[in-house]
Amino acid sequence: NAGVTQTPKFQVLKTGQSMTLQCAQDMNHNSMYWYRQDPGMGLRLIYYSASEGTTDKGEVPNGYNVSRLNKREFSLRLESAAPSQTSVYFCASSFVNRAGQPQHFGDGTRLSIL
Amino acid sequence: AQTVTQSQPEMSVQEAETVTLSCTYDTSESDYYLFWYKQPPSRQMILVIRQEAYKQQNATENRFSVNFQKAAKSFSLKISDSQLGDAAMYFCAYRSYYTGTASKLTFGTGTRLQVTL
Repeated sequence: NAGVTQTPKFQVLKTGQSMTLQCAQDMNHNSMYWYRQDPGMGLRLIYYSASEGTTDKGEVPNGYNVSRLNKREFSLRLESAAPSQTSVYFCASSFVNRAGQPQHFGDGTRLSIL
Repeated sequence: AQTVTQSQPEMSVQEAETVTLSCTYDTSESDYYLFWYKQPPSRQMILVIRQEAYKQQNATENRFSVNFQKAAKSFSLKISDSQLGDAAMYFCAYRSYYTGTASKLTFGTGTRLQVTL
């Protein structure tokens, strides 16, 4: 009964380092999403994957890459971390084309880049 | 593109009282969904309530209800009999009805609710 699981929960990086945030869901959802949350700005969509094998840019994709490894897993990679990427990152998942079905969120990853 | 505005950065309510959080949105679409999510200090994003734009009846979930005014593009959340556990950040979110193969959400900036004794 895990829902959406994100790892790690906390991470500190130095500028220029790379990092992959992992996300897995066990609800058989088709679609998965990555958001970042910054103070005073709500959640903003970075990338999403409508279904296995597809990925698309969201509102703030610069500096990130994603991989939809299989139906369960969707990872977010920072190739060369920058202080502006300090944020809390949320992964979410939902069914596709199911009217009104809400997204289910993981517990977030707090990422600090020095 | 759709936008969601929450004009109250912070609100405070006494335990057992009622509080209303405001949300307005801008869209040219006629069919869509609106959500309220709660984020307690634990950082979890918890769905509170959902409203379908094509339904005139306001959604209710126990102590939580909405006032959905489609013409005014307003979607406020009313919390009745407030409890200490209601203290959290509340986010309003919009989802298009016709989103192809994904259900992307557009979030407001949030309202932090404090509950006092």
